[in-house]
Amino acid sequence: DAKTTQPPSMDCAEGRAANLPCNHSTISGNEYVYWYRQIHSQGPQYIIHGLKNNETNEMASLIITEDRKSSTLILPHATLRDTAVYYCIVKGTGTASKLTFGTGTRLQVTL
Amino acid sequence: NAGVTQTPKFRVLKTGQSMTLLCAQDMNHEYMYWYRQDPGMGLRLIHYSVGEGTTAKGEVPDGYNVSRLKKQNFLLGLESAAPSQTSVYFCASSYWGQLSNQPQHFGDGTRLSIL
Repeated sequence: DAKTTQPPSMDCAEGRAANLPCNHSTISGNEYVYWYRQIHSQGPQYIIHGLKNNETNEMASLIITEDRKSSTLILPHATLRDTAVYYCIVKGTGTASKLTFGTGTRLQVTL
Repeated sequence: NAGVTQTPKFRVLKTGQSMTLLCAQDMNHEYMYWYRQDPGMGLRLIHYSVGEGTTAKGEVPDGYNVSRLKKQNFLLGLESAAPSQTSVYFCASSYWGQLSNQPQHFGDGTRLSIL
């Protein structure tokens, strides 16, 4: 599975959009991009995933570049409850669908 | 709407003691996983299972054993606990096959301290 690179930390004002970048330049054609977050010490929470098209759900939007070498997770109106560590993970659909977690981006939402 | 349930939530052991962590899922998922998370680090895969009666090693399997006797349950055992196994343990489950691109669902974790 391809490796990812994320900034270690970011700040965002409450009510503004939070844009979290992720580089995955070695991604393969059958690998998906997944985003999870971990609030405090809770279990990782799934946010969104995509293959090559942009995706949107009730939590966030995922923008994947045309060459698929990078992506951006967008939280449209960040709240204090969105303060968490966000993980960008690239994963194929092999026999064992293992997730490889890096150190993620710590997003701090402030008033 | 339970999802993935881990038991117990907290436990303190003495070095050399044994214990079993239980993970149960009610989503009829084929795949199940055990991860550990140490302070300031991402999750690391210990063992996983692709179906009832099957298990496989992840990236940090030493000191742990697992069993998947029933599809909905995945047990993680520590035969002789060591302080280095102090960690937060997370269980996860997911579909396979045509649905294998679907996300893994995680439990709330078991916080284990070895003295």
